[in-house]
Amino acid sequence: EVQLVESGGGLVQPGGSLRLSCAAYGFTFTSYSMNWVRQAPGKGLEWVSYINSAVSAIYYADSVKGRFTISRDNAKSSLYLQMNSLRDEDTAVYYCVRDYEYACDIWGQGTMVTVSS
Amino acid sequence: QSALTQPASVSGSPGQSITISCTGTNNDVGGYNHVSWYQQNPGKAPKLMIYEVSNRPSGVSNRFSGSKSGNTASLTISGLQAEDEADYYCNSYTTSSTWVFGGGTKLTVL
Repeated sequence: EVQLVESGGGLVQPGGSLRLSCAAYGFTFTSYSMNWVRQAPGKGLEWVSYINSAVSAIYYADSVKGRFTISRDNAKSSLYLQMNSLRDEDTAVYYCVRDYEYACDIWGQGTMVTVSS
Repeated sequence: QSALTQPASVSGSPGQSITISCTGTNNDVGGYNHVSWYQQNPGKAPKLMIYEVSNRPSGVSNRFSGSKSGNTASLTISGLQAEDEADYYCNSYTTSSTWVFGGGTKLTVL
C-alpha cells in the first residue's frame, strides 16, 4: 500500500527547533519529488517546501525561508523538515506529500506542531 | 505568494451542479496548466481530485471536472451528493517555482 507516515511533531517553545520525519512505503521513493504542506488550526492549506528526487532543486515558501530546511535520504525512503527559530504562527498540522505532475497525489496523516510558551 | 482567491462557501441541493472558482494571476493560474484541486473532510488529510487543470486521478468520480480560462480555474461538481460536502482547495504552481493554495471553499449540500 502506498503510504506516507510522518513523525516528530510536538510542543516546542518559541525560538526552539524541531525535526519532522516522513517514511514512505509502497512506491519507489527515488522516482518522486516531495513536499511539505501545513495547515494551521481552523485555517487553509499552505505549501511549505519542495525537494526533487535528485536533491538538485529545493524551494521554500517565503514564510519559512531561512528557518526551515528540507532534506531526504533516498536510501531510507525518508523525507525530513528541520524547523528552527520556530514562531507561534508555525503552529499547524504538517503533511508530507508526494508530488505528481505538479500536484500532491499522496498525503500522510499529518503531524501536529505546537509552538507555545 | 498571495493565496489564490476562492469563495468562502457555496451550496447546492442533491442532484444539482455547482462550480467553485479559483482566481490567481498571470504568475500562477494564468501562466501554467499546473492547477490542482483537493477535497478535505473534517479531521482528514486532503485528497487530490483534479490535476493539470482537468485530469482526474484514478478512482475519482467523473462527476468532478476542472477547467481554466485566463487567470481563473474552476471545479465543477455535477449530480451533487451528500458525500460531496467538504472543504475544497485549489492549488497552482507559480513563476517563482513555488506553489500557492486558495483560501478554501466550504461546500454545503442542502
